[in-house]
Amino acid sequence: GAVVSQHPSWVICKSGTSVKIECRSLDFQATTMFWYRQFPKQSLMLMATSNEGSKATYEQGVEKDKFLINHASLTLSTLTVTSAHPEDSSFYICSARDWGLGQGAEQYFGPGTRLTVT
Amino acid sequence: DAKTTQPPSMDCAEGRAANLPCNHSTISGNEYVYWYRQIHSQGPQYIIHGLKNNETNEMASLIITEDRKSSTLILPHATLRDTAVYYCIVRARGGGSEKLVFGKGTKLTVNP
Repeated sequence: GAVVSQHPSWVICKSGTSVKIECRSLDFQATTMFWYRQFPKQSLMLMATSNEGSKATYEQGVEKDKFLINHASLTLSTLTVTSAHPEDSSFYICSARDWGLGQGAEQYFGPGTRLTVT
Repeated sequence: DAKTTQPPSMDCAEGRAANLPCNHSTISGNEYVYWYRQIHSQGPQYIIHGLKNNETNEMASLIITEDRKSSTLILPHATLRDTAVYYCIVRARGGGSEKLVFGKGTKLTVNP
């Protein structure tokens, strides 16, 4: 299957600082990427859908000014957590769809980024 | 909200078949059934998907009932590495940005 990478795999930051997480599709072009968040012992929660060259679509309850998403190329999307607070500590996971395979394309997930805000 | 219902947990003996059920009684005609799994602290892994016919790949088999209101994921010979949370998701396929909405899934524990 297609490979999606994330960087960094884990990060610790101080409260009030911003953190950028990168999501890359390594062997395919991803017109659409998705960002999820997962708290301990809970399921994945979709935060936003990111389309290359356009603004992201955020799910209800997700602050777009706090979670900045940029999808500037077909292989890279970034999520920036601005002014991070301890409650933002979570496991952030991106996924991408390989539209080159047509409508049958499946959604592939990155390995996740563990964010800890102190 | 997720459109599927799964048992919260199941156990299986190593080497035996694991049969994971999923109820999706409100599935629409254009919606497919997808299965993903998540091993602890990793991103979800795609397993299989289907519309109405049974499907098989190198990882698993998917059995969908004739009325499409339920399905079963079968891992034919479970190993310890199959211990994970398994998610059954229904989603329409087509153009656009269809989202995968995760429910709580089934935590499968494969025992030695």
